[in-house]
Amino acid sequence: KNEVEQSPQNLTAQEGEFITINCSYSVGISALHWLQQHPGGGIVSLFMLSSGKKKHGRLIATINIQEKHSSLHITASHPRDSAVYICAVSPLGTSGSRLTFGEGTQLTVNP
Amino acid sequence: EAQVTQNPRYLITVTGKKLTVTCSQNMNHEYMSWYRQDPGLGLRQIYYSMNVEVTDKGDVPEGYKVSRKEKRNFPLILESPSPNQTSLYFCASSPRTMNTEAFFGQGTRLTVV
Repeated sequence: KNEVEQSPQNLTAQEGEFITINCSYSVGISALHWLQQHPGGGIVSLFMLSSGKKKHGRLIATINIQEKHSSLHITASHPRDSAVYICAVSPLGTSGSRLTFGEGTQLTVNP
Repeated sequence: EAQVTQNPRYLITVTGKKLTVTCSQNMNHEYMSWYRQDPGLGLRQIYYSMNVEVTDKGDVPEGYKVSRKEKRNFPLILESPSPNQTSLYFCASSPRTMNTEAFFGQGTRLTVV
C-alpha cells in the first residue's frame, strides 16, 4: 500500500461543476503539497499546507492532520483546469528533505 | 521572474553515452532535488541537496550522480545511461526544505535507446 493514496484516479466533469480530489496518507507529516501538471508541461505548486485551509482564486485546499487527510476543491471548474493533480507529503523525521508522492488524479473538464 | 530552469527539455541518447541534465534556480534557495516520473510509479526522488556541497540519496539513486558546487546549480549526471533510465525528470527547489513552498522545473524527457 502506498504511503500516499489519491482518489479518484480519474475524474471527468462538466464546466462549472464543483470538484473534489482527496488525498490520504499513512505517515506523520510536516507538510503537504498540492501540485498541478498539465500535459507536456512542468509541475506547478498550488498549495503547501501544514494545517487548516488555504484558498487561491477558485482553488481551496484543506487538511485534517488527525485524520491524515487532505482535499483539493475546485469551484466553478473550467476546461483549463484539466490537468493531473498530485498530492505530496513531507514525512516527519526527514527534516523536510523528502517528498512522497501520490500517483495523481487526472482531471478532465468538458465545456 | 522566479524560476527553476532545466536543460535540455528533450533528449534522445544511446546506451552508455554520458550525459548531464542541468538545473538552475534564481531564487537563492538552499534546497534542491531531482525526481523521475514514470507511468504507474508516479514521482520518485533521486537525489537532494540541503545546501552547497551537501547532497544525499533519495529513493532511486542508482545510476545517477549529482553535484552542488554553487547554490544556484544542481546538475544530474548519468555516467552510463541505460534504457531503464528513460523517464521524465524534474528538478525542484525550495527556500530551506520541502516543509516550505516548492518550485519545480519544466521537466526533461529523456529517452535512452
